[in-house]
Amino acid sequence: QVQLVQSGAEVKKPGSSVKVSCKASGGTFSSYAISWVRQAPGQGLEWMGGIIPIFGTANYAQKFQGRVTITADESTSTAYMELSSLRSEDTAVYYCASGQVLEGWGQGTLVTVSS
Amino acid sequence: EIVLTQSPATLSLSPGERATLSCRASQSVSSYLAWYQQKPGQAPRLLIYDASNRATGIPARFSGSGSGTDFTLTISSLEPEDFAVYYCQQRSNWPRFTFGPGTKVDIK
Repeated sequence: QVQLVQSGAEVKKPGSSVKVSCKASGGTFSSYAISWVRQAPGQGLEWMGGIIPIFGTANYAQKFQGRVTITADESTSTAYMELSSLRSEDTAVYYCASGQVLEGWGQGTLVTVSS
Repeated sequence: EIVLTQSPATLSLSPGERATLSCRASQSVSSYLAWYQQKPGQAPRLLIYDASNRATGIPARFSGSGSGTDFTLTISSLEPEDFAVYYCQQRSNWPRFTFGPGTKVDIK
């Protein structure tokens, strides 16, 4: 099973962007789907989008279309999620997860958006 | 977009009791339905995939059933560590996913 380690917590100003990384080990990175899921404080899970590194094309939830970019670097087995035009409602824990069923999860990255 | 509805929102039970959680899809998802458990401060953990298959290391007291639009997660006898929030998730239009809003199982 692939292990996922995410980058550390971020504090951002409204209107700025954040880029969260997710480094994979223990599996064949290129062939795994990597999804990004976020969870606002006290709320449920929300799928944002995903990518299969070997194909390189990302898919996004309609809600985030145009504001999120998901990429993958096969050379470092790392996936990235960049969210732009941040607002306070984007304050959440952001998780990466692997597989067609989400069997492996990163530890989560808290992104706080505050002026 | 496929919408998942979970019921009840909260389930109050005692250790040793049986828990039955429901997930309903707005359209058929075939058997492409998974269940996750999440405890406070932790990432979700996959319990059941494709409606009825237990993930690696998941105890036999967890079972899933259903197909099409109606699914059930059953915990046969609640252990203290089972009190948590449970989410269903569909992947019938993979690589797009949706999650249900969750059911909280708390101690009565």
